[in-house]
Amino acid sequence: GAGVSQSPSNKVTEKGKDVELRCDPISGHTALYWYRQSLGQGLEFLIYFQGNSAPDKSGLPSDRFSAERTGGSVSTLTIQRTQQEDSAVYLCASSLYLDLRAFFGPGTRLTVL
Amino acid sequence: RKEVEQDPGPFNVPEGATVAFNCTYSNSASQSFFWYRQDCRKEPKLLMSVYSSGNEDGRFTAQLNRASQYISLLIRDSKLSDSATYLCVVNSGGSNYKLTFGKGTLLTVNP
Repeated sequence: GAGVSQSPSNKVTEKGKDVELRCDPISGHTALYWYRQSLGQGLEFLIYFQGNSAPDKSGLPSDRFSAERTGGSVSTLTIQRTQQEDSAVYLCASSLYLDLRAFFGPGTRLTVL
Repeated sequence: RKEVEQDPGPFNVPEGATVAFNCTYSNSASQSFFWYRQDCRKEPKLLMSVYSSGNEDGRFTAQLNRASQYISLLIRDSKLSDSATYLCVVNSGGSNYKLTFGKGTLLTVNP
C-alpha cells in the first residue's frame, strides 16, 4: 500500500518568507508526527497529532512554527518568517494509535537563503 | 545524561563480520524500543522492535536490558547493503507516544 508522502520534496526560500510543508499519512494511521533533522544531527521532535485530541506542540522551537491536521488525515507544517537556522529536512511519520512503530515519509529538504 | 545515547562510531567492517551497536536510555519508565536504519539522504526506516525477551530477525538480533537501561543490535555476516546509520529509538516513558531518537551510528561494510 501507499506509504507516507510529503510535498514538496525540496523547498528553497528566502529569509523572511513563509513556507508550508505537507504530509499525507498512511491511510488508517491516526497518529502523525513531525520531526526535523539538521545536517549531521539527530531527529528533533516537533509536534504530534492523535485523532481528534489536542496536539502535543511541545517540540515546536518558536511561535513561528505551527501545524494543523485537517480531517484527521493530511497535515500542514507552516513556518513563518523563515530564518537560516530553519534549514533542515522536515520529516513526517505516521503510526497506528498506541502502536509506536512509526513510518516516515521521504521528507522535505528546506533551504533558507 | 542524554535521553538516548549511542556509540558515536563510525564503524568500518569487512563483509562477513559481526558488528554490535549499543544504546543506553535515561528514562526508566520507557516501554517501547526500536532500531531504525537511515541510508544517506533518506528517511529512517524501521528495522525492528526490541522486546524484553530479545528477538531475532534473520541476521539481526536485538536485546534489551531493563535493569541497565541498555539496548543492543547485533548484525551477523554483514553485507555491503547493511551500510547505513543505525538509530536507537525509545519512547519517552510508559505509553507516552513521543519517540526520542539517538544520533545514530554510521556503519560502513567494506568489500
